[in-house]
Amino acid sequence: ETGVTQSPTHLIKTRGQQVTLRCSSQSGHNTVSWYQQALGQGPQFIFQYYREEENGRGNFPPRFSGLQFPNYSSELNVNALELDDSALYLCASSFGLVTQYFGPGTRLTVL
Amino acid sequence: AQSVTQPDIHITVSEGASLELRCNYSYGATPYLFWYVQSPGQGLQLLLKYFSGDTLVQGIKGFEAEFKRSQSSFNLRKPSVHWSDAAEYFCAVGTYNAGNNRKLIWGLGTSLAVNP
Repeated sequence: ETGVTQSPTHLIKTRGQQVTLRCSSQSGHNTVSWYQQALGQGPQFIFQYYREEENGRGNFPPRFSGLQFPNYSSELNVNALELDDSALYLCASSFGLVTQYFGPGTRLTVL
Repeated sequence: AQSVTQPDIHITVSEGASLELRCNYSYGATPYLFWYVQSPGQGLQLLLKYFSGDTLVQGIKGFEAEFKRSQSSFNLRKPSVHWSDAAEYFCAVGTYNAGNNRKLIWGLGTSLAVNP
């Protein structure tokens, strides 16, 4: 068991709506990274939070935003949802910036 | 540019046969290398990692991988495959970027099917 949890498991939204995904990091970890995985693809890096600050961002528009809390849990927010946002969203936690352990993911469907 | 290539999109092996999944990377510095496995609809589980030292690393579930710097490769092997090994396998390179963050660069994955 990795200890990383994500909620919800599945989510269905319509275009233009906003969504918040949540991630609880493994005990003792202070870094959370978020990835988007489209069907049949490898994960794409969205951004990373280290000690409550954004510490790097991939090629995603500003409508993808995040937050890390003092207990190192994290949220991913996506505004103005588009059909192409449909994907599995993966959260990974690590201690510092090394080995990342993944949660089970949130499957987002945008209709 | 940093990249990871997994040349085999799909592999089918018979149960009990040996397995090798290929991974090639392009990265200017000493890489941190990982193999993850993903069952359908699930998150990613770390199989093994290479940071430095012995170039043959052992992982969970009987997997091993060998780092070959001269070939920029990090191939995953298992001597005898079990039906439960059927899954998607991803190779990843850990990179440092400006601001000292580390992100993972991923291959597209290799889908493994196991025949009984």
